[in-house]
Amino acid sequence: QQQVKQSPQSLIVQKGGISIINCAYENTAFDYFPWYQQFPGKGPALLIAIRPDVSEKKEGRFTISFNKSAKQFSLHIMDSQPGDSATYFCAASKQAGTALIFGKGTTLSVSS
Amino acid sequence: DADVTQTPRNRITKTGKRIMLECSQTKGHDRMYWYRQDPGLGLRLIYYSFDVKDINKGEISDGYSVSRQAQAKFSLSLESAIPNQTALYFCATSDPGRQQQFFGPGTRLTVL
Repeated sequence: QQQVKQSPQSLIVQKGGISIINCAYENTAFDYFPWYQQFPGKGPALLIAIRPDVSEKKEGRFTISFNKSAKQFSLHIMDSQPGDSATYFCAASKQAGTALIFGKGTTLSVSS
Repeated sequence: DADVTQTPRNRITKTGKRIMLECSQTKGHDRMYWYRQDPGLGLRLIYYSFDVKDINKGEISDGYSVSRQAQAKFSLSLESAIPNQTALYFCATSDPGRQQQFFGPGTRLTVL
């Protein structure tokens, strides 16, 4: 059973456009929802994270939108740049601090 | 993250061989994790350890074993490697007080 479902699998966006990646989760016990960014040949690195007590969190060009009732959250990248080209993973975990459950990833390509 | 190192970075081995992947960290974190990354499948948890005396199985532990030699060291072993264990392997660490995980650079393992 896939606990965190991520879409799309791949995404091509023009420079300056908005990139949107979506995730849905099943387990209502999850209370931490991070997004990780991975460049080729590197390990994933935390990009931005949110807890379910807020509906949106913004850090620079990156925004997480969270819909608790729909059990969905999304990553929006405004003014997408070629340097944003990477694989993005959504994830979730429980407050007890158990390991992260990852989505399958989205490969983003930003064309110049 | 340079604070989490993995050795070797690349390894080619043959079916049936025993192989060990090593992870070391200088972040002082108690919690350590081993993940496997396959194209289109995201990151899946193999084992995790919350301290030296605590070892827990993850989603896909069959065919793998681990050893937590010290707070800073966590090794993953494949007792008898098989081709479908060909993958990227990542070690990660976290602080018990925080849910952010810090990933190493990964080990690319090929089993022929």
